[in-house]
Amino acid sequence: GQQLNQSPQSMFIQEGEDVSMNCTSSSIFNTWLWYKQDPGEGPVLLIALYKAGELTSNGRLTAQFGITRKDSFLNISASIPSDVGIYFCAGQLPTNAGGTSYGKLTFGQGTILTVHP
Amino acid sequence: KAGVTQTPRYLIKTRGQQVTLSCSPISGHRSVSWYQQTPGQGLQFLFEYFSETQRNKGNFPGRFSGRQFSNSRSEMNVSTLELGDSALYLCASSLRGLNTGELFFGEGSRLTVL
Repeated sequence: GQQLNQSPQSMFIQEGEDVSMNCTSSSIFNTWLWYKQDPGEGPVLLIALYKAGELTSNGRLTAQFGITRKDSFLNISASIPSDVGIYFCAGQLPTNAGGTSYGKLTFGQGTILTVHP
Repeated sequence: KAGVTQTPRYLIKTRGQQVTLSCSPISGHRSVSWYQQTPGQGLQFLFEYFSETQRNKGNFPGRFSGRQFSNSRSEMNVSTLELGDSALYLCASSLRGLNTGELFFGEGSRLTVL
């Protein structure tokens, strides 16, 4: 099945530093999304991207939908302690005639972010 | 606006038993999806329901089943539990029920199988 390669697996940074993580796939995706998961919580949607080349910001977060539709990156600027958590990329495949992609996201393995004050 | 609510939050079962997990979506959301999260496999799609109909299904054995009620609440059931079923089970709801990918997740039900 489809797999998303997310890197890096973990990052240890100092407060104030910028962070960059990315996802690549062998498949074309219609939608790229970035989620964050805190301990004991479910993933929370950070940014959704719907067009190849699209660049979208949400506060200190910026994400881009790759031109080839097979990759995406997430940048976090000026990190703060509350940025700690696991960040997941997720992709949604194009809907075929049967519409079998409903509700199904393919997730990367996650990037564990640790921010030292 | 209340988020996605899952019950129970934690449960312990033994091999061979069955379990039922419940999910109440955000008010107005008609699509409910279920995911299994484990350290080894990450987040894996189980199934999706919309208007009481299963529209999509992941690659899990038939021991995993679900249903959706007319009020959009959903349940999933796992029968004949195995040790490998220990996981965090996440429910997610979606407003438009279309292929948007914008899922809103609950906090999950953590199942431990002994």
